[in-house]
Amino acid sequence: EAGVVQSPRYKIIEKKQPVAFWCNPISGHNTLYWYRQNLGQGPELLIRYENEEAVDDSQLPKDRFSAERLKGVDSTLKIQPAELGDSAVYLCASSIYRGGYTFGSGTRLTVV
Amino acid sequence: TQLLEQSPQFLSIQEGENLTVYCNSSSVFSSLQWYRQEPGEGPVLLVTVVTGGEVKKLKRLTFQFGDARKDSSLHITAAQPGDTGLYLCAGVRIQGAQKLVFGQGTRLTINP
Repeated sequence: EAGVVQSPRYKIIEKKQPVAFWCNPISGHNTLYWYRQNLGQGPELLIRYENEEAVDDSQLPKDRFSAERLKGVDSTLKIQPAELGDSAVYLCASSIYRGGYTFGSGTRLTVV
Repeated sequence: TQLLEQSPQFLSIQEGENLTVYCNSSSVFSSLQWYRQEPGEGPVLLVTVVTGGEVKKLKRLTFQFGDARKDSSLHITAAQPGDTGLYLCAGVRIQGAQKLVFGQGTRLTINP
């Protein structure tokens, strides 16, 4: 069974440019999470979806970040415009209700 | 301030030695999880503990949840180079938002 699939693995962009990350969760996992992990830190939750509904987006910087999960399966996280401080690894995870989280390999974003 | 404080943040020991990593908080958690993360990959779930005082073993790894469900420890016996990685504790608080929060991680290096 395929795990959580993220793409791209790496992205280098200039500041003020837009960028998008894609996540395909494990089949049947209704909960999807986007986390951001800065170098040397633990992941921090950006947004959590239950099916297609965003149930916790309190940590998402809504002035430049947006996310969607159409049809309750795949999800896209977008940053527009990117800033230097957005450089980090963006992790997607999925779970079933009260189950353990399965993480993807992440997208390493570098903003120059 | 970090909700979950891990110590030490860095640990480098020789193969065959024993070690303990701690995860502490002033908050009570309904469950605590331990993950291991290798470079360029997402965190991988090792164990979930849910009952105060619970002890779980995974080969040479022993996980304990504190009686008051505010802290946890990970003990590795006879460490091997393959144990090298970033160890993250994460938990869901009993009060407040039902989301998984992570500690900052312990970077463990086992030298041959």
